[in-house]
Amino acid sequence: NAGVMQNPRHLVRRRGQEARLRCSPMKGHSHVYWYRQLPEEGLKFMVYLQKENIIDESGMPKERFSAEFPKEGPSILRIQQVVRGDSAAYFCASSPDRGWNTEAFFGQGTRLTVV
Amino acid sequence: AQSVTQLGSHVSVSEGALVLLRCNYSSSVPPYLFWYVQYPNQGLQLLLKYTSAATLVKGINGFEAEFKKSETSFHLTKPSAHMSDAAEYFCAVSNQAGTALIFGKGTTLSVSS
Repeated sequence: NAGVMQNPRHLVRRRGQEARLRCSPMKGHSHVYWYRQLPEEGLKFMVYLQKENIIDESGMPKERFSAEFPKEGPSILRIQQVVRGDSAAYFCASSPDRGWNTEAFFGQGTRLTVV
Repeated sequence: AQSVTQLGSHVSVSEGALVLLRCNYSSSVPPYLFWYVQYPNQGLQLLLKYTSAATLVKGINGFEAEFKKSETSFHLTKPSAHMSDAAEYFCAVSNQAGTALIFGKGTTLSVSS
């Protein structure tokens, strides 16, 4: 059973471009979470999705950021018109159920660099 | 609101010495608490979690943590450090809705021979 797969592992974008980060959850997992890790900081929650639905987006910046988890295919975190402050590691996690009695498994992250 | 404070951003120990990483939490509801480990350029791996069962929780790689409600603490310990334990460690608490984890800023553990 493959783990949570994120791609690309490294992404370089120029200011103003779009960044698309992909996350394929573990087999059988229908809950996906996105977190952002800035240098010297812990992970900050961004958004929680269940298939085709956004459950909690309280950590998402109001502009330029969006996320989806379609019925088929990976979850996508999209950042439009990137700025230098978007440079960070973005981690995806998945779980089979909601609630913290079940373990959330993390991917290896996508490291975004904005130049 | 839930929050986590990790005391000490860097901890250095000698191989074979006791490891103690400190975590204090704030929660308006009975908390779920977690410790994760992150190796360089890797994702997070769950070490252990507290979900209101036993207050002493045993995890992987010889780590354990004790939930102390009176002290609002969930410190991580390991009796004897190994070189392979060098990594960054994060304490986390679940949010009230159960939809997210709130992480501390992390503690980097260095192990010297």
